[in-house]
Amino acid sequence: ETGVTQTPRHLVMGMTNKKSLKCEQHLGHNAMYWYKQSAKKPLELMFVYSLEERVENNSVPSRFSPECPNSSHLFLHLHTLQPEDSALYLCASSQDQTSGHTGELFFGEGSRLTVL
Amino acid sequence: QQQVKQSPQSLIVQKGGISIINCAYENTAFDYFPWYQQFPGKGPALLIAIRPDVSEKKEGRFTISFNKSAKQFSLHIMDSQPGDSATYFCAARGYQGAQKLVFGQGTRLTINP
Repeated sequence: ETGVTQTPRHLVMGMTNKKSLKCEQHLGHNAMYWYKQSAKKPLELMFVYSLEERVENNSVPSRFSPECPNSSHLFLHLHTLQPEDSALYLCASSQDQTSGHTGELFFGEGSRLTVL
Repeated sequence: QQQVKQSPQSLIVQKGGISIINCAYENTAFDYFPWYQQFPGKGPALLIAIRPDVSEKKEGRFTISFNKSAKQFSLHIMDSQPGDSATYFCAARGYQGAQKLVFGQGTRLTINP
């Protein structure tokens, strides 16, 4: 496996379900991100983890709960979602720019979430 | 002030033509301006990027033009090919450390054969 891998690729859930999205990066990066992509809207940054600490939380509703157990894995736990939460959820990773890297984001292919 | 405005939303260009996508920003603290390319069913991937100390960067058929005083930058795709059909996002970064990119709305580019 190379790059950033997201599972599942597609998820359909009811509003009362609890599910989780998983992301794994094989690039040795030290930062990981969750983005939400909705039609005709800019990519929305949800959460950022740097060195396994959450450094950004962009006013995301508490029904989305991230978890970063180590620098290679990132989860997004979903609970009591609303139909408007249906979107493509993208995971990304990068290497911190302060170490001389460009900080380029590497994205996974996304998890397409549909909330009924 | 954190927004990046991108236009047009969609663009159709004939094969061999020049595709031009424009972006504008307000925050003068932005210090890095990448363009990402996204094919259907795939995540975005970095295409080309520029820093504000240069006015142009070229990589193959792809060129970024940067106008610092106007706070605008654009992507030019020369000799556009059907394989360039994708959604393109401009972005801007505000600070060092963990990457915090502000993205434009995206442009769906279609190259007709």
